[in-house]
Amino acid sequence: AIQLTQSPSSLSASVGDRVTITCRASQGISSALAWYQQKPGKAPKLLIYDASSLESGVPSRFSGSGSGTDFTLTISSLQPEDFATYYCQQFNSYPHAITFGQGTRLEIK
Amino acid sequence: EVQLVESGGGLVQPGGSLRLSCAASGFTFSSYEMNWVRQAPGKGLEWVSYISSSGSTIYYADSVKGRFTISRDNAKNSLYLQMNSLRAEDTAVYYCARAPDGYIAYWGQGTLVTVSS
Repeated sequence: AIQLTQSPSSLSASVGDRVTITCRASQGISSALAWYQQKPGKAPKLLIYDASSLESGVPSRFSGSGSGTDFTLTISSLQPEDFATYYCQQFNSYPHAITFGQGTRLEIK
Repeated sequence: EVQLVESGGGLVQPGGSLRLSCAASGFTFSSYEMNWVRQAPGKGLEWVSYISSSGSTIYYADSVKGRFTISRDNAKNSLYLQMNSLRAEDTAVYYCARAPDGYIAYWGQGTLVTVSS
């Protein structure tokens, strides 16, 4: 089974900072990767799909890059509403399975 | 507007059973593959099961295989998850999810299942 490892597990940053979260796959997954944002008590929200495509309605300060095994989510200038937990998800083996990274908690410094 | 509304969660004893439902609206349900994804309290996301649009193709995570059964009723625009032989580690919020291309663009609000004596 394909495993995803996110780093860091948690991160403290300030409003206006540029933040990067990485996701590494245990084997190549082409561009079959998505990123989600989750706030407490809420369902996850899709931000990025196909590694770098921005979901409709998502602010352009969010961007994704990478292919193969190494991927990044970048927030160019943190806003107060961006403090949340972020998950990567691979769908290279879909529909047999999908897997998620363990999450990165982004906190206010 | 796409809406997915889960129901059926609750408290159940270890070894017990529970049936979750997901009512879909705002799209042609019979045209879309569907999934269940769960999240244990304070933990990450875990994919549980997939069902094709017709219901003819089904997959499960190893952690639930042989205990959970996914199904759908396209006439009722509904998705189901029958959960048997429940364990404490099945305690989680269960989300109904639409992921036709593998990434999940639409999620329900979730229903909490608690397995405890």
